[in-house]
Amino acid sequence: KAGVTQTPRYLIKTRGQQVTLSCSPISGHRSVSWYQQTPGQGLQFLFEYFSETQRNKGNFPGRFSGRQFSNSRSEMNVSTLELGDSALYLCASSSRVSYNEQFFGPGTRLTVL
Amino acid sequence: GDSVTQMEGPVTLSEEAFLTINCTYTATGYPSLFWYVQYPGEGLQLLLKATKADDKGSNKGFEATYRKETTSFHLEKGSVQVSDSAVYFCALTGRDDKIIFGKGTRLHILP
Repeated sequence: KAGVTQTPRYLIKTRGQQVTLSCSPISGHRSVSWYQQTPGQGLQFLFEYFSETQRNKGNFPGRFSGRQFSNSRSEMNVSTLELGDSALYLCASSSRVSYNEQFFGPGTRLTVL
Repeated sequence: GDSVTQMEGPVTLSEEAFLTINCTYTATGYPSLFWYVQYPGEGLQLLLKATKADDKGSNKGFEATYRKETTSFHLEKGSVQVSDSAVYFCALTGRDDKIIFGKGTRLHILP
């Protein structure tokens, strides 16, 4: 079974731009969660989607948004990029709305210049 | 709110040494506890978990016991290998189902 895939793997943007990251969950998984990983703050939960509905949301500004499609693929968007948005963005999928086991993708490394 | 505190790294050990990575938590109710591992260039992988007090999770020679009286979930391994070099994250899920990670502990194993 293929794992969680994320595209692109690396991205360089400049301040003020917007970016869209994509995540394809493991086949059959309907829950997708997004995390931001930085050296200073560690891993922080962004949001979770299940069956196209946002189920949970972390403490991030409205510039961070996401959506999930009927095939469970998910995208997250960051508008008006700031230098502090430079991070590794991780996506994780699970078979149900439960955090008992999540499967993570390799991440998208975003650098904001 | 709920939180996870784990020992800061990096931790450097020689091969075959005994490993302990401390993790304590603050949570209301009865959280589920996890250890995840992140190898270089990869995402996180679930290493082990425990869902109730006194449960012991184990995998690949690693163990951790859910201690409610000390609110701890320390990770241990009797004899580490170079291939265990990675970043280890302690985590919990509480009543609201949100997962909270510790800041991670980087482990270096020297041959």
